[in-house]
Amino acid sequence: NAGVTQTPKFRVLKTGQSMTLLCAQDMNHEYMYWYRQDPGMGLRLIHYSVGEGTTAKGEVPDGYNVSRLKKQNFLLGLESAAPSQTSVYFCASSLDGRFLYGYTFGSGTRLTVV
Amino acid sequence: AQSVTQLGSHVSVSEGALVLLRCNYSSSVPPYLFWYVQYPNQGLQLLLKYTSAATLVKGINGFEAEFKKSETSFHLTKPSAHMRDAAEYFCAVSPLTGTASKLTFGTGTRLQVTL
Repeated sequence: NAGVTQTPKFRVLKTGQSMTLLCAQDMNHEYMYWYRQDPGMGLRLIHYSVGEGTTAKGEVPDGYNVSRLKKQNFLLGLESAAPSQTSVYFCASSLDGRFLYGYTFGSGTRLTVV
Repeated sequence: AQSVTQLGSHVSVSEGALVLLRCNYSSSVPPYLFWYVQYPNQGLQLLLKYTSAATLVKGINGFEAEFKKSETSFHLTKPSAHMRDAAEYFCAVSPLTGTASKLTFGTGTRLQVTL
């Protein structure tokens, strides 16, 4: 089925470890996003991309890096994980910047940093 | 700048009762507006969207929302709640035009449905 696939679904990291979250979409969408969701705070945008090879900072970019080497993939990296990065991470994509169809979301990655 | 405010982080209704989830927006240009639903341990699913056509928008699972420019509101309603409607609901806004490249989400309203 077409959609947005996130891997892994769950991960436990120790403080200081690094990891990469992968987001893949097969809808030929131009725009892709990484959000984190924390209780009572809704969704906060970490980074986003408006096309292959482009990235931009969102609301809470510190401690994260991203890459969009291929149009269908958007990677989120944590170089040195901290307990404050314990969260549920969602990837989303949209066809273009007009948002006529909103976003398509992945099912999330639950990350715990101990 | 655009933003949405969802009034009430938790709403509890009885099964069969009216559901009303409130969303007010702030946007310098006419917006697109969306409601998303998140069931436990799942991603967000689009419920409905307003894209400047009809002001009363019907979505999936019997939900609808009305765009009221004079009140800058886009409240979500359902005439009769069902247990399966228990979830978290997010309102989101984007401008119709311009260079902004993202939706802005509210902080969410958790709907509890009781017997």
